[in-house]
Amino acid sequence: DIQMTQSPSTLSASVGDRVTITCRASQSISSWLAWYQQKPGKAPNLLIHKASGLESGVPSRFSGSGSGTEFTLTISSLQPDDFATYYCQQYNSYPYTFGQGTKLEIK
Amino acid sequence: QVQLVESGGGVVQPGRSLRLSCAASGFTFSSYGMHWVRQAPGKGLEWVAFIRYDGTNKYYADSVKGRFTISRDNSKNTLYLQMSSLRAEDTAVYYCAKDFSGGSWLDYWGQGTLVTVSP
Repeated sequence: DIQMTQSPSTLSASVGDRVTITCRASQSISSWLAWYQQKPGKAPNLLIHKASGLESGVPSRFSGSGSGTEFTLTISSLQPDDFATYYCQQYNSYPYTFGQGTKLEIK
Repeated sequence: QVQLVESGGGVVQPGRSLRLSCAASGFTFSSYGMHWVRQAPGKGLEWVAFIRYDGTNKYYADSVKGRFTISRDNSKNTLYLQMSSLRAEDTAVYYCAKDFSGGSWLDYWGQGTLVTVSP
């Protein structure tokens, strides 16, 4: 199975900051990676697909990059609504796997 | 608009069975693969199972293989997860999610249904 490792596990930042979350795969997954945002008590929401494709309706301050085994999610200027937990997920092969999550907290 | 509504969760004793349902609307259900994903209390997301649009291919996480069965009824626009030999570690919110195509990202999610396995 492909293991997905996110870093950091927790990130403290302020409104207006630029933040980057990293996701590493245990083997190459090409660009078969998605990013999701989840708020407490809610279902996850798709942000990015195919490593860098912005999902319709998602603000342009979110961006994704990477290929192979290393990927990043960047939020260019944090807004109050962005404080949440973020997950990467590979869909290169079954079983699909998620990273352990990165909790973005207000500093 | 796409809607996915899970049902069937509840409290069940270890070793017993439970069937979850996911009613889909707002898209052509019979054309898309579907997933189940779960989240234990306070923990991260765990992918559980996938079924192709026509039900011909199914995939499972190792943690549920042999105990859980994913199925679908395209005439009823409904996805199912039959869970048997339930364990305490199966306690989680279970989400159904639509696949973008035939084995890709999960573009729409339901609100989830809570399964609690407890004596």
